[in-house]
Amino acid sequence: DAKTTQPNSMESNEEEPVHLPCNHSTISGTDYIHWYRQLPSQGPEYVIHGLTSNVNNRMASLAIAEDRKSSTLILHRATLRDAAVYYCIWSGSQGNLIFGKGTKLSVKP
Amino acid sequence: DAGITQSPRHKVTETGTPVTLRCHQTENHRYMYWYRQDPGHGLRLIHYSYGVKDTDKGEVSDGYSVSRSKTEDFLLTLESATSSQTSVYFCAIGGDPYNSPLHFGNGTRLTVT
Repeated sequence: DAKTTQPNSMESNEEEPVHLPCNHSTISGTDYIHWYRQLPSQGPEYVIHGLTSNVNNRMASLAIAEDRKSSTLILHRATLRDAAVYYCIWSGSQGNLIFGKGTKLSVKP
Repeated sequence: DAGITQSPRHKVTETGTPVTLRCHQTENHRYMYWYRQDPGHGLRLIHYSYGVKDTDKGEVSDGYSVSRSKTEDFLLTLESATSSQTSVYFCAIGGDPYNSPLHFGNGTRLTVT
């Protein structure tokens, strides 16, 4: 139910782009892909979401594969403040967001 | 942060005692959620509400009850706290659950001894 697959951890260098992958092969055609991140000792924070086409906002870009079975969150220039756990999510049958374990991103100065 | 406040922020209680956590919003969002977060499990949905007096269970609802008598308040009650309910509890608010961002509170750290 609403299962996504993400790498457990990734590393990046400061000021370099970061591409965080996510597989969601069982997603339906009408479910949005959502990305959240959680900094240490804080609640999750919304990053971006989309349905079919690529999306951009001030925080990141979301690239969704044409078959919608995968997506990639792009941080254009990683900063130390971007070190967090990133969750790729889509809605469960009740419309609620079901969180997996996410990808822990480390950013090296 | 997005007009959502959780109280208390920290609580220590004994096994068998009742505990109520409060989530208060000033955004007039229709949907409110309670999640718990434990090491190795990520966030898991406990209960959610889609309007005043309208609530439903999530994946880990056993041992918890909720109430929503006003749009702005969503209460989570542990009728008889157990050590397995030691966790960090997050409240979230949002609009259309399929296509709107959720805004999370800063969490309540509950320890049951």
